[in-house]
Amino acid sequence: AQSVTQPDIHITVSEGASLELRCNYSYGATPYLFWYVQSPGQGLQLLLKYFSGDTLVQGIKGFEAEFKRSQSSFNLRKPSVHWSDAAEYFCAVGASNAGNMLTFGGGTRLMVKP
Amino acid sequence: DAGVTQSPTHLIKTRGQHVTLRCSPISGHKSVSWYQQVLGQGPQFIFQYYEKEERGRGNFPDRFSARQFPNYSSELNVNALLLGDSALYLCASSRGDSGYNEQFFGPGTRLTVL
Repeated sequence: AQSVTQPDIHITVSEGASLELRCNYSYGATPYLFWYVQSPGQGLQLLLKYFSGDTLVQGIKGFEAEFKRSQSSFNLRKPSVHWSDAAEYFCAVGASNAGNMLTFGGGTRLMVKP
Repeated sequence: DAGVTQSPTHLIKTRGQHVTLRCSPISGHKSVSWYQQVLGQGPQFIFQYYEKEERGRGNFPDRFSARQFPNYSSELNVNALLLGDSALYLCASSRGDSGYNEQFFGPGTRLTVL
């Protein structure tokens, strides 16, 4: 069975500082990996995804993530955080044999200090 | 183009009642998935329907059921509501049935069970 762990429940960074959100997954084969962002009262918006190929993927809003098979990780990064990035971030894993089903981590709430 | 729409936005029910939540996918999308997001947690997969057939079911009791209509819209039904069913219910649509099809999420229906 697939599982996703986001070790950090809350993270606070200063505006302009760099950001890294951690994600570890458990899956037997090559997973499909996703990062979503959720603002208060909103649905989920896809930031980026990894299926295969280049292990460093670029997404929207200046985010990137790196797939590291040896560490079963897919960490999300941003070089300079903006106040508007404050939100909840979810890592998710899908599979080639599981239809559209996604397994989500518990989320990391990002707060941005001025 | 309109995104995924869900109705109602908010709903308050009492224990033991029945509820029906509705979802309209993006035009051209044939797959609809339902997720339950309890406060402070990540979304949890409930069902996926593709071309009006159930393609996946999460670990939820039989009180939860769903269906998809010929126009690809979908309903999620929950019988005999429990306090623990209070959550944000998210609907997602995608073009196809594969894990690499991007899913687009609606804003959700907030269900409160008293």
